[in-house]
This record gives sequence, C-alpha cells and structure tokens, in this order.
Amino acid sequence: GENVEQHPSTLSVQEGDSAVIKCTYSDSASNYFPWYKQELGKRPQLIIDIRSNVGEKKDQRIAVTLNKTAKHFSLHITETQPEDSAVYFCAASEVGGTASKLTFGTGTRLQVTL
Amino acid sequence: NAGVTQTPKFQVLKTGQSMTLQCAQDMNHEYMSWYRQDPGMGLRLIHYSVGAGITDQGEVPNGYNVSRSTTEDFPLRLLSAAPSQTSVYFCASSPTGLAGNEQFFGPGTRLTVL
Repeated sequence: GENVEQHPSTLSVQEGDSAVIKCTYSDSASNYFPWYKQELGKRPQLIIDIRSNVGEKKDQRIAVTLNKTAKHFSLHITETQPEDSAVYFCAASEVGGTASKLTFGTGTRLQVTL
Repeated sequence: NAGVTQTPKFQVLKTGQSMTLQCAQDMNHEYMSWYRQDPGMGLRLIHYSVGAGITDQGEVPNGYNVSRSTTEDFPLRLLSAAPSQTSVYFCASSPTGLAGNEQFFGPGTRLTVL
C-alpha cells in the first residue's frame, strides 16, 4: 500500500517568514494530493490540493508543488501569520476500483511566533 | 446543513466493554470513512463505505466493525475495547469515493480505554 512520509515534524517561524513542509509518497499510481490543516482541538480541514497532471497550484498565501518523477510534494506558506499556527497533514490518494483511500503523513506542527 | 456530526464527543470505557461511535452526514454523500488519530501517527483509515450496504477495511480494521444501512449513517462499533484503542476518532464523508473529492471531517470523538 501507499506510504507517505512528512518532514519536518515541527517547524517554528517568525511572523512574515515563509514555511515549507515536504512529503514523499511511495505509490506511483497515486494521483491526488490534498493538504489538511488542523487547529488545536478541531477537525482537519482541506486547505489546498493538487492532482498529478498539475505541477503547481496557488491560493493566496499558500501553494503546493508536485514532482511526480521524484514522488514528492510540498506545501509553501508565505507571509506567515499567527493564525497559520496549526498541524498540517499531507495525504496521497490510492485509487482502487470505485473507492479512494487517503493515506496521511504524520503531520507537521507549525508555530508562527511574533 | 449540519455537515458531519459525531456522538459522543468524549467517552471513557473499561477494558472489555463495547460501544458504538455514531456518525451522520446530511450532505447525501456516498463515501464515508472512519479514521483514528494518534500522536505522531497522523490519521489512519479504519473502515470505509462507498454507499449503503457496502463497507470495506482500511489500514487498521482489527477490533472494529462497521455497517452502512443508510446513506446518512455510518456507526463504528468496538466489540471489546482495549487500551490500544485509546485515540481520537474522526468520521469523514465525501460526495463519491473517487480520488479528488474533498473529505469533510466530523468534530471527532475522544475515546479513553482504561
């Protein structure tokens, strides 16, 4: 099955700096890569996703890049703000028949300091 | 729309007790799934369903049963709770099981097994 590795496990940046979180996946058949943000005590929520036919996608201060050859994808957050502090999870989707199953990374705790 | 709802929010069980975690969605989603979240391990898929009457195992199914008698409900049963099942449980749904559909998470159930 799919295996997703995520680094770093913790990341501390100063407000206004950029943050980068990296993930690698093992199954070359995976074709959908979402990123979820989970604030303390809350549910995970989708913030951005990318499909395998696209190399980069941006949404305001966040962007995701995908390198299919190397089987890695990254989340970039620019001009970080205190409200960006949360745990971020990457995931990869393994398509099997009529069902897709998300495999998640182990998470990155991002802390944005003033 | 209430989205995805879960009950209870918190539960404490003794080893060997049984219980059912409830999950419901009012978005007419075909696909529903259960994840458990443990520190440092991300979210791991327990069971999933692509529609009423159809269920399948995820990554960590042992010790858990599910059924899907209606589109709206997807309960998770623990027949004989063990301390290793202490975790936060999230239910999620998406319009279909095809890769590329956003998964919407419920608020979670924090389960402690003594």
